[in-house]
Amino acid sequence: DGGITQSPKYLFRKEGQNVTLSCEQNLNHDAMYWYRQDPGQGLRLIYYSQIVNDFQKGDIAEGYSVSREKKESFPLTVTSAQKNPTAFYLCASRSPGTGNTEAFFGQGTRLTVV
Amino acid sequence: GEDVEQSLFLSVREGDSSVINCTYTDSSSTYLYWYKQEPGAGLQLLTYIFSNMDMKQDQRLTVLLNKKDKHLSLRIADTQTGDSAIYFCAERRASGGSYIPTFGRGTSLIVHP
Repeated sequence: DGGITQSPKYLFRKEGQNVTLSCEQNLNHDAMYWYRQDPGQGLRLIYYSQIVNDFQKGDIAEGYSVSREKKESFPLTVTSAQKNPTAFYLCASRSPGTGNTEAFFGQGTRLTVV
Repeated sequence: GEDVEQSLFLSVREGDSSVINCTYTDSSSTYLYWYKQEPGAGLQLLTYIFSNMDMKQDQRLTVLLNKKDKHLSLRIADTQTGDSAIYFCAERRASGGSYIPTFGRGTSLIVHP
């Protein structure tokens, strides 16, 4: 079955640590996105990538980093520079183009700082 | 201001109709979407509408688009407790030759017996 998989589902981080969230898709999509969701704030774009080996900052990129070495994978690293990392993180992918191309989402990773 | 705006909460009685409203800012948006999010899960596409349409109906769902006012609504007929979720309005924001899915804050729909 084609889909997009995020892991782990729950992640706990100590203050000052970097953590990496995994996102893998087998939909053959070129475009991938990372969003952060906080209660009452909806989805805010962290980073996105339209093609392998290229990515762009979104609206709230500070304290985060990404890589796109393979089409299927778009991992997100939450660095110690991110002062308030506790949130629900969502990865999405879509097939680029001008026609109707919906975004497909993973099930999310809930990150908690302890 | 935000690109996409929605009210945060809606409470309805089971069996009634629910109407969730959204306003967007990008007049060049060709597709507009409604997504549903169950607790602790990702978003799933419910329906979409192309900008040259005024209305789209899909079973219990009706989408109305007023392009002049940049207003989108989602009507759920005969609302059930299983419809309780967060509903997101989304547009495709053009950015540097690509499209970025841009979401509102989401409307929490609460359905009570």
